[in-house]
Amino acid sequence: KAGVTQTPRYLIKTRGQQVTLSCSPISGHRSVSWYQQTPGQGLQFLFEYFSETQRNKGNFPGRFSGRQFSNSRSEMNVSTLELGDSALYLCASSSDRDYEQYFGPGTRLTVT
Amino acid sequence: GESVGLHLPTLSVQEGDNSIINCAYSNSASDYFIWYKQESGKGPQFIIDIRSNMDKRQGQRVTVLLNKTVKHLSLQIAATQPGDSAVYFCAEKIVGRGYQKVTFGTGTKLQVIP
Repeated sequence: KAGVTQTPRYLIKTRGQQVTLSCSPISGHRSVSWYQQTPGQGLQFLFEYFSETQRNKGNFPGRFSGRQFSNSRSEMNVSTLELGDSALYLCASSSDRDYEQYFGPGTRLTVT
Repeated sequence: GESVGLHLPTLSVQEGDNSIINCAYSNSASDYFIWYKQESGKGPQFIIDIRSNMDKRQGQRVTVLLNKTVKHLSLQIAATQPGDSAVYFCAEKIVGRGYQKVTFGTGTKLQVIP
């Protein structure tokens, strides 16, 4: 069974731009969660999607948004990028059965 | 508020010795406590978890201990190997009806000295 995949793996953007990251969960997993990882703040929860609905949200500004498609693939969008948005963005998928999260390799976003 | 943190940011251990990584938590309502391992360039990987009503759980070369009295969690790795070098995160999970919320600690870097 293929693991969680994220694209792109690396991205460089400038302040003020917007970015869209993509995550494909493990086949059969309907839950996708997004996390931001930085050296200073560690792993912070952004949001979780299940069956195309956001069912949980962390404490991030409205510039961070996401969505999930009918095939469970998910995207997250960050608008009006700031330098502080530079981070590793991780997504994790889980099944309804055991809730164990399987992480993708992440997308490294650098904002200049 | 809720928080999960780690006592030691870096731990150096001789190959073959046992490693102990510690974690403090503050939310007594958590249902599970989880340990993840993150190697360079990869996402976190599940190692082992423990339900909040348990004190100890063993896996292959790993043991997790939960002390609810002092809100302390530890991960013991037996016979540490070079491949164990990574950053280890503790996390707490609350499972509700149709949702889960996972809060991660700040991480401890384990360096195995050959």
